Amino acid sequence: TQLLEQSPQFLSIQEGENLTVYCNSSSVFSSLQWYRQEPGEGPVLLVTVVTGGEVKKLKRLTFQFGDARKDSSLHITAAQPGDTGLYLCAGPYTGANSKLTFGKGITLSVRP
Amino acid sequence: DAMVIQNPRYQVTQFGKPVTLSCSQTLNHNVMYWYQQKSSQAPKLLFHYYDKDFNNEADTPDNFQSRRPNTSFCFLDIRSPGLGDAAMYLCATSTRGGRETQYFGPGTRLLVL
Repeated sequence: TQLLEQSPQFLSIQEGENLTVYCNSSSVFSSLQWYRQEPGEGPVLLVTVVTGGEVKKLKRLTFQFGDARKDSSLHITAAQPGDTGLYLCAGPYTGANSKLTFGKGITLSVRP
Repeated sequence: DAMVIQNPRYQVTQFGKPVTLSCSQTLNHNVMYWYQQKSSQAPKLLFHYYDKDFNNEADTPDNFQSRRPNTSFCFLDIRSPGLGDAAMYLCATSTRGGRETQYFGPGTRLLVL
C-alpha cells in the first residue's frame, strides 16, 4: 500500500510568518501533486513535481520533490490569510494509472 | 470556462431515502471520479469511470452506485443513506489518469437526518 503521510496535521500561524509542511512516504512516486482546498470547495491543483530534487515556485509558495522521489515539502513565505485552507498531497498508484492516493492533508489557518 | 459542475451543492435527505448526486463536465475528459470526504480527512475514492469502463474500489459499500450515461455526465446514487454517509462528495475528471491533473468540482455536502 502506498501511503502518503502529511505533517503537521494542523497549523495556525500569524500573517507574515514563514512555514514549511511535509508529505512523506516509504514508497517511490513517479510524481507528486499538491492541491489546496478551501472550506466548502473542491481541491484545486497547485503544482505537480516530477523529477527527483525538483524545485517549483508559485509566487510565495516553494515546492520541492525529494531526491529519492519519496517525499515533498511546501514552503510558504510571508503567509497571508488567503493561504488558509487544506493542503493535500497526492501521487499516482503504481500500476493503476487512473488513480491517485491522497495524504490526509494539512489544515492551515493564517490569522490576520 | 471549462469546468466540473456538481448539483446540488447541498443535499438533505432522510435516513434510508435514496438520493442522487450529479456531476457534469465541459472538459471532455474521459476519466470521471467520485470521492467521499469527511471532515479533516483526505478524499476517499469510491469509484471511477475510464470512458465507459466502471472501476469500483474494493471497500466501497454496495449502497453506493454510479451511472455514466455519456462523456459529460456522471451520477452517484446512494440507495439507502445512513447517518455515516453524511459527507462531502467530490466529483473529479482527468485525461487518461495517473500523473494527469484531476479537476475537482465544488462538491455536494450531504446531510442525512
